[in-house]
Amino acid sequence: QKEVEQDPGPLSVPEGAIVSLNCTYSNSAFQYFMWYRQYSRKGPELLMYTYSSGNKEDGRFTAQVDKSSKYISLFIRDSQPSDSATYLCAMIPDRGSTLGRLYFGRGTQLTVWP
Amino acid sequence: NAGVTQTPKFRILKIGQSMTLQCTQDMNHNYMYWYRQDPGMGLKLIYYSVGAGITDKGEVPNGYNVSRSTTEDFPLRLELAAPSQTSVYFCASSYSPADTEAFFGQGTRLTVV
Repeated sequence: QKEVEQDPGPLSVPEGAIVSLNCTYSNSAFQYFMWYRQYSRKGPELLMYTYSSGNKEDGRFTAQVDKSSKYISLFIRDSQPSDSATYLCAMIPDRGSTLGRLYFGRGTQLTVWP
Repeated sequence: NAGVTQTPKFRILKIGQSMTLQCTQDMNHNYMYWYRQDPGMGLKLIYYSVGAGITDKGEVPNGYNVSRSTTEDFPLRLELAAPSQTSVYFCASSYSPADTEAFFGQGTRLTVV
């Protein structure tokens, strides 16, 4: 079983739709949960991060973490064509980790059509 | 501020050839990483470094080598290229191991034929 599971999609929605992206994980040591956005032929860029359980909102984006279910989500409200990209979830164990590597999901390809 | 710079952007190699992918960062980050991204497969860690002179293997190190002689540079060497190494390679850096933001380069698209 992969440590981080993410449905690769593709996901195609009309402009203005609410988008829900999800990841599950198996390692209970993960404490930091990130969402990276990757446009075509570009490197990933950090979109949002959340520490431990709870919600975090930033404009049209909301990240949720449910550690009891080992499940994280990213919601995009009022989706725009400019949101079309691949969204990768990533996780880091607690601060005791000396490796610091990011554990990535496979990424979900999202297309928002006008 | 250039961030993380990778060269070349594209390269075609013949089987058995060797090459070095260059990575430079100007943020004075101690931690640097090389990932490969295969279509629909996410990113897999090849090698990482926690500072100049210190490197270690990630989950897919076979066929690659790295060195870290300075804080800024972290080149990735491919010896005896194989078709299985066809991929997009990303270099990344971060300030600390628990830094939630890793900065990525633009990637090197490598094809081995």
